[in-house]
Amino acid sequence: GQNIDQPTEMTATEGAIVQINCTYQTSGFNGLFWYQQHAGEAPTFLSYNVLDGLEEKGRFSSFLSRSKGYSYLLLKELQMKDSASYLCAVTSYGQNFVFGPGTRLSVLP
Amino acid sequence: ETGVTQTPRHLVMGMTNKKSLKCEQHLGHNAMYWYKQSAKKPLELMFVYSLEERVENNSVPSRFSPECPNSSHLFLHLHTLQPEDSALYLCASSQTSGLETYEQYFGPGTRLTVT
Repeated sequence: GQNIDQPTEMTATEGAIVQINCTYQTSGFNGLFWYQQHAGEAPTFLSYNVLDGLEEKGRFSSFLSRSKGYSYLLLKELQMKDSASYLCAVTSYGQNFVFGPGTRLSVLP
Repeated sequence: ETGVTQTPRHLVMGMTNKKSLKCEQHLGHNAMYWYKQSAKKPLELMFVYSLEERVENNSVPSRFSPECPNSSHLFLHLHTLQPEDSALYLCASSQTSGLETYEQYFGPGTRLTVT
């Protein structure tokens, strides 16, 4: 089976940088996805990592270490609209997405 | 219409009712999914259809019955639900080659309340 862990809640200040961690245990790893979900809305895709290293996309970056079963999502220049839940999801060969519990981020002025 | 749409957006039903949730994707994808999202719990995958064939059914009670008449439409038929089935039901679609799984695109969800 798969096991995914994320911190439940985080708080950061507008303009700051925040790192949201995700650890996972799985066999046949085939990719890790990050999604953003605002309260009452559907999750939206942010990033995808399948090889080790950093993927940068504007203010958002995602890092993966397959040997450590570890990923993080880095959000720079935080804005109030970044207050949301951030979901880590892992896929394995022959398996579909398994989502982590999500991290609720609150951005304060 | 673009993306993934779901109807209705909100549904209140009694435990003896029968209702259906509808999902439609306009992205040309070949896989569709039903998820359940309850408060303070991770997204739970319920059903997966790939090329209109059900490929996954994660021990979902039989009071939930999926139907995928074609690659663009997905239904979830509900009957004799329990109050603990109250949740946000999300539909998603993606492209899949069997070996590769690409990002999923979610609909806005149906907020279901069972009274």
